[in-house]
Amino acid sequence: GENVEQHPSTLSVQEGDSAVIKCTYSDSASNYFPWYKQELGKGPQLIIDIRSNVGEKKDQRIAVTLNKTAKHFSLHITETQPEDSAVYFCAASDNDYKLSFGAGTTVTVRA
Amino acid sequence: NAGVTQTPKFQVLKTGQSMTLQCAQDMNHNSMYWYRQDPGMGLRLIYYSASEGTTDKGEVPNGYNVSRLNKREFSLRLESAAPSQTSVYFCASSVALNTEAFFGQGTRLTVV
Repeated sequence: GENVEQHPSTLSVQEGDSAVIKCTYSDSASNYFPWYKQELGKGPQLIIDIRSNVGEKKDQRIAVTLNKTAKHFSLHITETQPEDSAVYFCAASDNDYKLSFGAGTTVTVRA
Repeated sequence: NAGVTQTPKFQVLKTGQSMTLQCAQDMNHNSMYWYRQDPGMGLRLIYYSASEGTTDKGEVPNGYNVSRLNKREFSLRLESAAPSQTSVYFCASSVALNTEAFFGQGTRLTVV
């Protein structure tokens, strides 16, 4: 099955700086790559996703890039704000179209 | 619009006890899922139902059973709880496989 690795496990940034989280996947047939944000005591919520026919996607301060050749994808958050503090998960779909998740990155934005 | 509703929110079980976690969605989604979340391990798929009438094993199905009762409801049953099943359980649903999944608030289960 799919194996998704996520780095770093924790990330502390100054408010206003950028944050970058990187993920790699193992199954070259994977074609759907969502990113989820989880706030304390809540379920994960989709913030952005990308499919394999697109190399980059942006939504306001959030962007995702995909390199299918290298089998890695990244989340970029610009102009970070305190409300960006949360746990972020990357995921990739395997050949049965089920999502496999990374272990998560705890992002802390320092005021 | 409630989205995905899970019950209960918290549960403590003794080893060997059984229980069923309930999940219902009101978004007319075809696919539903059960995940468990453990520290440092992300979310791992237990079982899923691609559409009403079908269920399949995920990554960690041992010790669990599921029932897709109808299009709205997907339950997870622990027949004989073990301490290793202490975790936070999330139900999710999506229009179809490989599309945005919407998660419930989770059930925190402790087995002592």
